[in-house]
Amino acid sequence: DGGITQSPKYLFRKEGQNVTLSCEQNLNHDAMYWYRQDPGQGLRLIYYSQIVNDFQKGDIAEGYSVSREKKESFPLTVTSAQKNPTAFYLCASSITGNQPQHFGDGTRLSIL
Amino acid sequence: SQQGEEDPQALSIQEGENATMNCSYKTSINNLQWYRQNSGRGLVHLILIRSNEREKHSGRLRVTLDTSKKSSSLLITASRAADTASYFCATTSPYGNKLVFGAGTILRVKS
Repeated sequence: DGGITQSPKYLFRKEGQNVTLSCEQNLNHDAMYWYRQDPGQGLRLIYYSQIVNDFQKGDIAEGYSVSREKKESFPLTVTSAQKNPTAFYLCASSITGNQPQHFGDGTRLSIL
Repeated sequence: SQQGEEDPQALSIQEGENATMNCSYKTSINNLQWYRQNSGRGLVHLILIRSNEREKHSGRLRVTLDTSKKSSSLLITASRAADTASYFCATTSPYGNKLVFGAGTILRVKS
């Protein structure tokens, strides 16, 4: 079965701690994306990557970092610089930038 | 920045009725896409309509696009309780390679 897997489903962060959210896809898609969703709101783009070893900032990149060393993987690190990290994080992939995106089931991040 | 805005914010209907959701956007688009999100889950792509298309159908879904008014509508016919979800429109620009999402419409279908 092809798809996107996000892990963990729930994550808790302590003050001053960096945490990394995993996103893996086996759809052979070139493009991958990270979004943040706050309650009752739409999705805001954090980072995206069109191809391996390349990525661009989205609308709310401050306090986050990513890497794209493999086509299948696009991990997101929420750093201690992100002062309000509590949110639902969604990873997605697509064949190219304008095509429909396939989403994982999200990681819910909370502060301890 | 969010380009698409859905209307209404919330909609509650009886099973069997039709549901109509609207989306407005601000700048030129390459295509407009509709997604569904069940509570606590990821989004699922429903339908894509290109800027040179005016109407598209998929099963019980009908999407229209009016580029002169910069608006789109999603019609779900003969709704079912399983259609209860949030629905989002998203646009891609002619020059860009990413989606911009609206805030969504919460649809509740009562059985």
